[in-house]
Amino acid sequence: GAVVSQHPSWVICKSGTSVKIECRSLDFQATTMFWYRQFPKQSLMLMATSNEGSKATYEQGVEKDKFLINHASLTLSTLTVTSAHPEDSSFYICSASGLAAYNEQFFGPGTRLTVL
Amino acid sequence: DAKTTQPTSMDCAEGRAANLPCNHSTISGNEYVYWYRQIHSQGPQYIIHGLKNNETNEMASLIITEDRKSSTLILPHATLRDTAVYYCIVRVANRDDKIIFGKGTRLHILP
Repeated sequence: GAVVSQHPSWVICKSGTSVKIECRSLDFQATTMFWYRQFPKQSLMLMATSNEGSKATYEQGVEKDKFLINHASLTLSTLTVTSAHPEDSSFYICSASGLAAYNEQFFGPGTRLTVL
Repeated sequence: DAKTTQPTSMDCAEGRAANLPCNHSTISGNEYVYWYRQIHSQGPQYIIHGLKNNETNEMASLIITEDRKSSTLILPHATLRDTAVYYCIVRVANRDDKIIFGKGTRLHILP
């Protein structure tokens, strides 16, 4: 299957700072990328869908000004958590799909964010 | 996407076959049954998918009932590494639509 990477794999930051998480499709062009958030013992919750070159579509209840998503190229999407607070501590997972990968979704390994 | 119903948790002895059921009574004709699993602190991993015929790959087998209203994922010889949350999802294949995850089944493989 196609490979999706995330960087960093974990990050600790102070409250009030911003954190950027990268999601890369390594061996295919991802026209669509998805960002999920997962709290302990819970399922993945979709945050937003991003298509290359256009604005992301956010799920209901997700603050677009707090979770900035950029999908400027076919292999890279970034999620920036602005002014992070302890309640933003979570496991963030991206997935990517593209025509070359039969439009199936392939998931990244996740990024553990801890806000102190 | 159609909804699915899975047991919250299951136990299985190491070396035995693990059979994970899933109900999807409202599945549409063009929707496939997909299975993913998530090992602790990792991203979801694709396992298998099928439309109506039984499918088998190196990881598992998928048995879909004739009416397509339910299915069973079979891990033929479970190992401790198969301990994970297993998600059954129905969706149209080969489309970049969003996936909505349910709660899945937490499978514990017992030594």
